[in-house]
Amino acid sequence: GESVGLHLPTLSVQEGDNSIINCAYSNSASDYFIWYKQESGKGPQFIIDIRSNMDKRQGQRVTVLLNKTVKHLSLQIAATQPGDSAVYFCAENAGSARQLTFGSGTQLTVLP
Amino acid sequence: DVKVTQSSRYLVKRTGEKVFLECVQDMDHENMFWYRQDPGLGLRLIYFSYDVKMKEKGDIPEGYSVSREKKERFSLILESASTNQTSMYLCASNPAQGWEKLFFGSGTQLSVL
Repeated sequence: GESVGLHLPTLSVQEGDNSIINCAYSNSASDYFIWYKQESGKGPQFIIDIRSNMDKRQGQRVTVLLNKTVKHLSLQIAATQPGDSAVYFCAENAGSARQLTFGSGTQLTVLP
Repeated sequence: DVKVTQSSRYLVKRTGEKVFLECVQDMDHENMFWYRQDPGLGLRLIYFSYDVKMKEKGDIPEGYSVSREKKERFSLILESASTNQTSMYLCASNPAQGWEKLFFGSGTQLSVL
């Protein structure tokens, strides 16, 4: 079946720097994408979403970019803080599907 | 505060045992999901349910079954646990229209010895 994958399994950044987490997807029918954050010992939590009719969406300190041409999305975190250390997952949905497909996750570590 | 509650944080079972993982949500959500999470593989969907007594297979249903007798409760059953079912199990729920409202439980780490 279709899959969503991540380029890098781990990412380390200095506190205060910006972080960029990437995600590739292969289902051209996907029209909705979500980023989740999973802290140690917890379930994933919604961060931000984007629909395929947009190429950029901003939240508080986070921005998601979608490039449908190359089937790629990214999560940018501004001024990364220690509390941002977590595993980040992208997920995608094709409108007709009753389920999300998740990527394998990126471990973000914020260095002091 | 919305909640998806999984009955156990850690479970240790023997090969061949029947295992029940329970999940309860208090948000009156129509949809409920069971995922397993393994390092490097992300979340893989086992089963889901979009209504009481309804169930659909996900990507990896083999060795599992589910039960949804009440809207708020979705149970995952391992009929005869095997060592390759050692994993983190995550339950989630969302309303009929609203992936942005998909909420997860904290997970159950199951070890099958």
